[in-house]
Amino acid sequence: DAKTTQPNSMESNEEEPVHLPCNHSTISGTDYIHWYRQLPSQGPEYVIHGLTSNVNNRMASLAIAEDRKSSTLILHRATLRDAAVYYCILINPWSSGNTPLVFGKGTRLSVIA
Amino acid sequence: DAMVIQNPRYQVTQFGKPVTLSCSQTLNHNVMYWYQQKSSQAPKLLFHYYDKDFNNEADTPDNFQSRRPNTSFCFLDIRSPGLGDAAMYLCATSNLGTSGTFNEQFFGPGTRLTVL
Repeated sequence: DAKTTQPNSMESNEEEPVHLPCNHSTISGTDYIHWYRQLPSQGPEYVIHGLTSNVNNRMASLAIAEDRKSSTLILHRATLRDAAVYYCILINPWSSGNTPLVFGKGTRLSVIA
Repeated sequence: DAMVIQNPRYQVTQFGKPVTLSCSQTLNHNVMYWYQQKSSQAPKLLFHYYDKDFNNEADTPDNFQSRRPNTSFCFLDIRSPGLGDAAMYLCATSNLGTSGTFNEQFFGPGTRLTVL
């Protein structure tokens, strides 16, 4: 799987938008961009994924650059509960190997009340 | 609610004493994964089962074994735990369909293993 690069940590004030960047300059045409997050003392949970177009769901939005070499996870209004480590992961669903997740270091998001 | 359950949440064992961690799922997913997460690190895949087919990662130590007696249950056996095996062990499931389909992974809360 192609590699991703994320900032080690970010900080946000509560109820403000947060933009979490991810660089994936070696992404292939069949790689999907997935985001998972891990709240303290919990297992990771799925947040959102996309291929080329921007995506929205109840948790977040995903903005994908036109050249697909970077993407941004957007939390529209950060809450204290959003404090977590956010992982950007590329997955090629057509590859063999039952698509296990290969986690990078992720971004630790702190939310200040 | 359908979910992934891990028992126990906390496990203490002695150096060299075999230990088994368990995972069960009510999602009826065909793939079950075991990840190891050491302190301040990202989760790292140990192995996974696709139905009854076992897939071991190349760098997973022989000390780690797994069993999947049926669709719902999967066990992680550590034959002789060392101090370096202290970690959070995460179980996850997904439903692998046809190639090209998206398969979200669902994680359990993890079992934190302490080795004394």
